[in-house]
Amino acid sequence: RKEVEQDPGPFNVPEGATVAFNCTYSNSASQSFFWYRQDCRKEPKLLMSVYSSGNEDGRFTAQLNRASQYISLLIRDSKLSDSATYLCVVKTHGTASKLTFGTGTRLQVTL
Amino acid sequence: ETGVTQSPTHLIKTRGQQVTLRCSSQSGHNTVSWYQQALGQGPQFIFQYYREEENGRGNFPPRFSGLQFPNYSSELNVNALELNDSALYLCASRTSTSSYNEQFFGPGTRLTVL
Repeated sequence: RKEVEQDPGPFNVPEGATVAFNCTYSNSASQSFFWYRQDCRKEPKLLMSVYSSGNEDGRFTAQLNRASQYISLLIRDSKLSDSATYLCVVKTHGTASKLTFGTGTRLQVTL
Repeated sequence: ETGVTQSPTHLIKTRGQQVTLRCSSQSGHNTVSWYQQALGQGPQFIFQYYREEENGRGNFPPRFSGLQFPNYSSELNVNALELNDSALYLCASRTSTSSYNEQFFGPGTRLTVL
């Protein structure tokens, strides 16, 4: 079983749609949680951190459920520029804190 | 731009050869991690360097090795290249004051093994 699992998609949605991505993780020792965005042939970039209380950044809302080991990302009013791969990431802390990535979910927003 | 640079941007090698990839971390960042991203997959952690020593390693064989220099730049060396080593290799840097600090990724080196 993969440590971080995501639906690979692709999700094809029209502009203005709301789209939700889900992710589950297996390591209960995971301590920090993130969504990264990766454009085609580019490096991953941090989109937002994810907290149990939920957090919002403009059109993006992220939520963490520690009991279910489940992370979500909601994008409202999708824009063409949102087309990218969204990577669910968990982090354990310690001497060597490492990021563990899911395979990513590809989003294509169309006119 | 993150301030993390990598060279070369692209590289083509043949099976059995050796390769060295380079990374210059963002100013003030003394911790560098390397990741391998195969096509259609998320990045996989290879190892992390802090103060010129490896202090964490993922599930990669010993033919993947690294170095970190006093200026915090880093190298990833891969010996006896195999076809499935073809991937995007990413380095990421952060300050070590807190492992909660964000890691910043470089643009990557795309390695093709023929």
